[in-house]
Amino acid sequence: DQQVKQNSPSLSVQEGRISILNCDYTNSMFDYFLWYKKYPAEGPTFLISISSIKDKNEDGRFTVFLNKSAKHLSLHIVPSQPGDSAVYFCAASAISGGTSYGKLTFGQGTILTVHP
Amino acid sequence: NAGVMQNPRHLVRRRGQEARLRCSPMKGHSHVYWYRQLPEEGLKFMVYLQKENIIDESGMPKERFSAEFPKEGPSILRIQQVVRGDSAAYFCASSTTGGTNTEAFFGQGTRLTVV
Repeated sequence: DQQVKQNSPSLSVQEGRISILNCDYTNSMFDYFLWYKKYPAEGPTFLISISSIKDKNEDGRFTVFLNKSAKHLSLHIVPSQPGDSAVYFCAASAISGGTSYGKLTFGQGTILTVHP
Repeated sequence: NAGVMQNPRHLVRRRGQEARLRCSPMKGHSHVYWYRQLPEEGLKFMVYLQKENIIDESGMPKERFSAEFPKEGPSILRIQQVVRGDSAAYFCASSTTGGTNTEAFFGQGTRLTVV
């Protein structure tokens, strides 16, 4: 039961162009969404998040868009840099039993490669 | 301010042995989460603990796996009688509160190899 899906295993873009990573979810109880970046042999590093009451959040080169009706979110990186090459994970958090906590459901990840 | 510290980074165990994975949360964090990442997969939630309490262990296998977060010291994930299928990367995360809108910070993980 994959509640968070990243359907593109990999993405390749040219330096300076926009990278768009996509994520779909099925659980309507998710109320907080996060993107993590992961290098090999390291733990995930938090990038950016968005609450379900918003449809956009921006932080420097990173922007996350949320479309609740479509249960879809995306991460835009512009301009892309070679150092952005990593695995990107989408994650979601749900309200459970009336108590919210940071239990995360992750997607499978998308490998981003930014070519110089 | 040190980040989430996990040790060991790499652990090799023979089938049937016990594996103990340790996690020290970030300073000021009292909520700890353990995740497992199998090869070619995303991270899967295992257990959520606060000091001396297991809050949610819905992702823990029913047998051989246990977790604790004592009043003093690190959180421990214990795997008894390991099997080859336990080989994975185990990540610990910590946060300041248990609510949403709280980013969880991850450690570098422990890579368990069962031979």
